[in-house]
Amino acid sequence: AQTVTQSQPEMSVQEAETVTLSCTYDTSESDYYLFWYKQPPSRQMILVIRQEAYKQQNATENRFSVNFQKAAKSFSLKISDSQLGDAAMYFCAYRSVRHTGNQFYFGTGTSLTVIP
Amino acid sequence: EPEVTQTPSHQVTQMGQEVILRCVPISNHLYFYWYRQILGQKVEFLVSFYNNEISEKSEIFDDQFSVERPDGSNFTLKIRSTKLEDSAMYFCASSLRIDRIQETQYFGPGTRLLVL
Repeated sequence: AQTVTQSQPEMSVQEAETVTLSCTYDTSESDYYLFWYKQPPSRQMILVIRQEAYKQQNATENRFSVNFQKAAKSFSLKISDSQLGDAAMYFCAYRSVRHTGNQFYFGTGTSLTVIP
Repeated sequence: EPEVTQTPSHQVTQMGQEVILRCVPISNHLYFYWYRQILGQKVEFLVSFYNNEISEKSEIFDDQFSVERPDGSNFTLKIRSTKLEDSAMYFCASSLRIDRIQETQYFGPGTRLLVL
């Protein structure tokens, strides 16, 4: 079974600074998707960014970018110019392209605090 | 922007009682999911549902659980006889389709279930 590990339960960053959240995963598959979801307090999870494993280019969405290292099975999220609204729980997730049920495998999450 | 909604936000029940958690997926979505997160643990997949039937389920989703789409808008998770270990946050999600282009799952805010 696939596993996703987020080794940083909590992180903090100064406003306007850059922070990197780590995620590693274990799989025997060659093609899959990786996601970062953000969950603000008492709000639903929102997709931040996704990466398709067959694409070598790292995904970027405005201030959010990933460092996808397929051989190392690493998928870190970089948040540049951090804003107060970035404070949330961040979940890394894996999805196989094979499974018909389309299920996600999640990490335990990283709680990000943004310091004004 | 359309959102997945869930009711109630919090539910407290006695062990052995039946509970029904409700979700309203995004209106044109076709695939529906339930996940749960026990406090301090990972978000875990429970079940996926498509075309009025379960397409995949995890080991957690035993005979005590059932899902239903009773009408064109609601998607429910029923726990027949709750146990203490069912206490968790339950997330509903939906997606338009599961091909490479539209695989994003949109999550609801969750229902926090506490079994006493």
